[in-house]
Amino acid sequence: KNQVEQSPQSLIILEGKNCTLQCNYTVSPFSNLRWYKQDTGRGPVSLTIMTFSENTKSNGRYTATLDADTKQSSLHITASQLSDSASYICVVSDRGSTLGRLYFGRGTQLTVWP
Amino acid sequence: EADIYQTPRYLVIGTGKKITLECSQTMGHDKMYWYQQDPGMELHLIHYSYGVNSTEKGDLSSESTVSRIRTEHFPLTLESARPSHTSQYLCASSEARPYEQYFGPGTRLTVT
Repeated sequence: KNQVEQSPQSLIILEGKNCTLQCNYTVSPFSNLRWYKQDTGRGPVSLTIMTFSENTKSNGRYTATLDADTKQSSLHITASQLSDSASYICVVSDRGSTLGRLYFGRGTQLTVWP
Repeated sequence: EADIYQTPRYLVIGTGKKITLECSQTMGHDKMYWYQQDPGMELHLIHYSYGVNSTEKGDLSSESTVSRIRTEHFPLTLESARPSHTSQYLCASSEARPYEQYFGPGTRLTVT
């Protein structure tokens, strides 16, 4: 069964600190992996997308890594800000259908305190 | 910011009412999607469309229906709302090769 597991479920950090969120997946055949940020009451917004051949991608203070061999990804947030408080969702796409079926994790709820 | 819109943003209605959640996008995307999301849970695909006059059911069984008469418009209808339909509904769209899905802001539906 294709699955996406994220850890931790929730995380509280102080403003200015760094943190790393984890994503493990079993989706096969793998196409790409995305990290989305979802603010409360809003739709997800894409942060990064990585294909099989990419093992790191940055978007400002966000850096995602991918190990396709171990089927693990991480999202590192540097110098956190209050506006980083949100749910971070790992999404994996398979290439077994033209739809490009997406498999969603449940997200890590990040809270940044001042 | 993606050009995909959903209305209403919040809706509270009584059991048995018929409702339509609107979704429109101005990016000319062929593919559109409806997801259902409960608090703290993952998104579940309930409907999708490859293009005009094309609609399919997703992974999660839903009593809702959809239509795709125009490329930019993908409304979702519940003929008779029930409390079990209380959830957040997210609309998304993508190009023909769906590497990137763009999400709308969502509709928070509460059925009393």
